[in-house]
Amino acid sequence: QGQLMQSGAEVKKPGSSVKVSCKASGVTFSSYTITWVRQAPGEGLEWMGRIIPMFGLTNYAQKYQGRVTITADESTNTAYMELSSLRSEDTAVYYCARVTGGRWDYWGQGTLVTVSS
Amino acid sequence: DIQMTQSPSTLSAYVGDRVTITCRASQSISTSLAWYQQKPGKAPNLLIYEASSLESGVPSRFSGSGSGTEFTLTITSLQPDDFATYYCQQYQHYWTFGQGTKVEIK
Repeated sequence: QGQLMQSGAEVKKPGSSVKVSCKASGVTFSSYTITWVRQAPGEGLEWMGRIIPMFGLTNYAQKYQGRVTITADESTNTAYMELSSLRSEDTAVYYCARVTGGRWDYWGQGTLVTVSS
Repeated sequence: DIQMTQSPSTLSAYVGDRVTITCRASQSISTSLAWYQQKPGKAPNLLIYEASSLESGVPSRFSGSGSGTEFTLTITSLQPDDFATYYCQQYQHYWTFGQGTKVEIK
């Protein structure tokens, strides 16, 4: 059974950065799109960006342009999402997911990032 | 950007009820629409894609319909395991989610 395993919860200070990892096992990685979405407490799902590991191609939601960087390491089947200049409003659960034909068929378990002074 | 609007935001129903959730797109997305179920503390789970295709392993009481800008998710005979929040998602141009519909026990 394929899965995406994300790194553990983080507590960060305002103004700092966080880097969340997403490792694929039993799931084809490099030829698919890996995408990131976040969910603030009690809120809905907000797309942040995506990467196609095989090509290193990235696209970011306009809201996060300049603050988010998504990378991938094909040798370890791992994708990363780094968010900088953190503020309290960035407190959320961050999910990675694999994209198949547009739909998101495999999801990571989520990583809680708490931004607090 | 394509905006997705779901209704209702909350829905109260009994076990065994037939439930319908609506999703509207701000512009035509053909059938590039998926539905997800999310339970508290868990990642969303894909139910329907291409507006009406049932994901493997998803019970047949879930169905989707629509095209263009109007879509529906229907659950026939609601089961206890179905009380959750449901999201629609367009993938015509990148991705946008609806705000979610919470299905509660009446």
